[in-house]
Amino acid sequence: DTAVSQTPKYLVTQMGNDKSIKCEQNLGHDTMYWYKQDSKKFLKIMFSYNNKELIINETVPNRFSPKSPDKAHLNLHINSLELGDSAVYFCASSPFRTSGIYNNEQFFGPGTRLTVL
Amino acid sequence: KNQVEQSPQSLIILEGKNCTLQCNYTVSPFSNLRWYKQDTGRGPVSLTIMTFSENTKSNGRYTATLDADTKQSSLHITASQLSDSASYICVVSASYGNNRLAFGKGNQVVVIP
Repeated sequence: DTAVSQTPKYLVTQMGNDKSIKCEQNLGHDTMYWYKQDSKKFLKIMFSYNNKELIINETVPNRFSPKSPDKAHLNLHINSLELGDSAVYFCASSPFRTSGIYNNEQFFGPGTRLTVL
Repeated sequence: KNQVEQSPQSLIILEGKNCTLQCNYTVSPFSNLRWYKQDTGRGPVSLTIMTFSENTKSNGRYTATLDADTKQSSLHITASQLSDSASYICVVSASYGNNRLAFGKGNQVVVIP
């Protein structure tokens, strides 16, 4: 009955490969996010989708492409992986409020630790 | 310079003792401030959220304060337990503009018996 789940939990791959991380939430939320947490523990928002529509796209290389097949899923596909992509990637979700997504409590998944060799 | 600065970076405390974590921010115009707890190997979990008009908010042994005039917040942990060992992240939202969600680097707390 995990609220926000991510797969895989660990991902080790070679530079140049393409990989995907999947995220699913069963909270009935309308908004989902992808965050990157680097080795210095800074959390940085990458993308946000509301009801399958992209609403936030921070300065992220276009090698990263999010895909939302429905509002319960937000997958992250990464092309041509680089060493600097090594980090923990967190998926999160929140309910939509008229006060805006920035005022919402976000529920985070357990994270996916990506290691690029 | 990061818009949210937290101190101390790390802290070791004895079980049963209290501690206070600080968060200073420059985010403007201010909308709300949240404290998250992140256990090792897990995603952050929300502890408190405060808007401009709220000075203090409690969640069990966690009490957050906010001074919107000085742009400072603190998180006080009372009677610490071993399970309080975690990173505590301060997150500040702006009402509008670019970069509306700013994260602090976190306070790493270790509680020892």
